[in-house]
Amino acid sequence: GEDVEQSLFLSVREGDSSVINCTYTDSSSTYLYWYKQEPGAGLQLLTYIFSNMDMKQDQRLTVLLNKKDKHLSLRIADTQTGDSAIYFCAESISRGSTLGRLYFGRGTQLTVWP
Amino acid sequence: KAGVTQTPRYLIKTRGQQVTLSCSPISGHRSVSWYQQTPGQGLQFLFEYFSETQRNKGNFPGRFSGRQFSNSRSEMNVSTLELGDSALYLCASSGVKDIQYFGAGTRLSVL
Repeated sequence: GEDVEQSLFLSVREGDSSVINCTYTDSSSTYLYWYKQEPGAGLQLLTYIFSNMDMKQDQRLTVLLNKKDKHLSLRIADTQTGDSAIYFCAESISRGSTLGRLYFGRGTQLTVWP
Repeated sequence: KAGVTQTPRYLIKTRGQQVTLSCSPISGHRSVSWYQQTPGQGLQFLFEYFSETQRNKGNFPGRFSGRQFSNSRSEMNVSTLELGDSALYLCASSGVKDIQYFGAGTRLSVL
């Protein structure tokens, strides 16, 4: 299957770290992604990780991939109020029937309190 | 490099009408995918085009159709609109690395 699950809500205080978690079911994932969506906007690609990697760091963002448990996480260091948004986890799977398609979780609403 | 451009940004239609949405991909990208986003169903895949050919299709009725032109621009059409078609329609383009970049979306309201 191609189920992607993530918790719906996360609240943190400004300056703390945020960790958003995601699980997926298909072991044939090619890439795993994190997208950010602000109110009324489209999806902004935050970062992605190739399925043969364990970790990727990009400024305040750290992505960890545990292939054995099919678990992906996004850590945002020094979270700011501007980070408040919905964060989507997604995977791509390279099979003929899944070409060009991303499988998305339902999104995690991150709220950052000042 | 310009990003993915979707037009129009907002549309208001009435039931029974038809609508066409446009998507211009990032220069050099040959794949265009379309998604529907609603509060109830989340992000659902509509279809994907590569070099003017539909390679993949989601589970939507035949009222939803699309096409891609030789310059990789894509359009999607929804005929006989229903209230439930009200949604944010998102287009994404990808290049050789298959990383999908999204546009700002078209917000369709069906009255």
